[in-house]
Amino acid sequence: AQTVTQSQPEMSVQEAETVTLSCTYDTSESDYYLFWYKQPPSRQMILVIRQEAYKQQNATENRFSVNFQKAAKSFSLKISDSQLGDAAMYFCAYRGIQGAQKLVFGQGTRLTINP
Amino acid sequence: DVKVTQSSRYLVKRTGEKVFLECVQDMDHENMFWYRQDPGLGLRLIYFSYDVKMKEKGDIPEGYSVSREKKERFSLILESASTNQTSMYLCASRLGGANEKLFFGSGTQLSVL
Repeated sequence: AQTVTQSQPEMSVQEAETVTLSCTYDTSESDYYLFWYKQPPSRQMILVIRQEAYKQQNATENRFSVNFQKAAKSFSLKISDSQLGDAAMYFCAYRGIQGAQKLVFGQGTRLTINP
Repeated sequence: DVKVTQSSRYLVKRTGEKVFLECVQDMDHENMFWYRQDPGLGLRLIYFSYDVKMKEKGDIPEGYSVSREKKERFSLILESASTNQTSMYLCASRLGGANEKLFFGSGTQLSVL
């Protein structure tokens, strides 16, 4: 079974600085998708960024980018120029393309932005 | 944008009660999911459904059942609520296809006393 691990329960960063959230996963599949979701205090889960495993190029969405290392099964999220609105729980998630295609989540990292 | 609506934001129930959590989506999505969220454990899949009247067990189905009589509605049922089912429950939906975006509701915080 696939597993996703986020080893940082909490992180903090100064406003305007850069922070990296870590995520590792375990799978025997060769093709799959990886995601980062953000959950602000409103509880509404928001998709931040998505990476297809067959693409070597790292995904980027404005201030958010990933470092995808397929061989190491690592998928970290980098937030540049951190803003107060970035404060939230961040979840890393995995979905295979075979079988049930269910989304498997990590434990989450609570990010605090210090003004 | 897609809207996924959960009927209650907060719910308080007594041990042994039968509890219904309702979820409705408005974009004709085939797939619907129920997750529970607990601190330090992330989101764990309880049940999911590919189509009307179809359901599949997720990773933690014990103590729960589901119903999908109409495509837009997916209900989670706690047959006899217990204190260890106190949690945040999140419903989600998406079209078919592994690369499709998952849309979430705002969650129901359930407390079982």
